[in-house]
Amino acid sequence: EVQLVESGGGLVQPGGSLRLSCAGSGFTFSSYEMNWVRQAPGKGLEWISYTYNDGTILYADSVKGRFTASRDDAHNSLSLQMNSLRAEDTAVYYCARKRFGTAHFDYWGQGTLVTVSS
Amino acid sequence: QSALTQPASVSGSPGQSITISCTGTSNDVGGVYDFVSWYQQHPGKAPKLMIYAVTNRPSGVSDRFSGSKSGNTASLTISGLQAEDEADYYCSSFTTSSAFYVFGTGTKVTVL
Repeated sequence: EVQLVESGGGLVQPGGSLRLSCAGSGFTFSSYEMNWVRQAPGKGLEWISYTYNDGTILYADSVKGRFTASRDDAHNSLSLQMNSLRAEDTAVYYCARKRFGTAHFDYWGQGTLVTVSS
Repeated sequence: QSALTQPASVSGSPGQSITISCTGTSNDVGGVYDFVSWYQQHPGKAPKLMIYAVTNRPSGVSDRFSGSKSGNTASLTISGLQAEDEADYYCSSFTTSSAFYVFGTGTKVTVL
C-alpha cells in the first residue's frame, strides 16, 4: 500500500524557519517525482515545489528563494526547508507523488499544518 | 500565474447529473498536452485523484465520474449524484508558465 506521511508542522513566528518531512512507503520512491502542495485555511490548492531523482528541483514564484526542497531516495524521504516565513505561508502542506511524464498527483499524504503567527 | 476558474458551488439532487467547469488559457487547459486532472476533497481530508489526462479514471474511481475538454475549458461530470459525492472539487493542469502546475479555484458540490 502506497503511503505518504508528512511531519514537522507547527507554530512559528514570522521570519522564522521550519523543516517539513515526508516519508514514503509501499512504492519505489526514487522512481517518482515528488511534490509539495499547500492549502491555506479555507482556500484552494497551490503547487509549490517539485523534485526528481535527476536533481531537478522547481519552485513556485511565491516560495522561490525562501523554501528549499530536497529528497533522500536512500531513505525514501522528501523534505522542505522553509525560511523567512510569512503569515501567508500558513497552510496545510501536502506531499504528493507524480509519475514521470504525467501531470497528475496520484497519491497524497494527510498533510501537516504550518501556522505562521506572532 | 492565476488559478484556473471554477464555479464556487454546484448542487444537485440525488440521482441527477452535474457538471463542473474549469476554464484556463492556451498555456494550460487549452494547451497541446491533455494534462488536466480532477481531485475530490472531503473536509479535513487530503485530495483524491478522480480524473487524469482529461478523461481517464484511476482504478477504484466510480464510472459515474467522467471528464472532457473543449478549447480552454475542461469539465467534470458526476452522474447519478450520491450523498457521498458532496465535497470540494479541484481541477489542475500543467502550465507552460513559471507556475509549472496550476489548480482551479475549487467547487463545492452540494447534494440536496
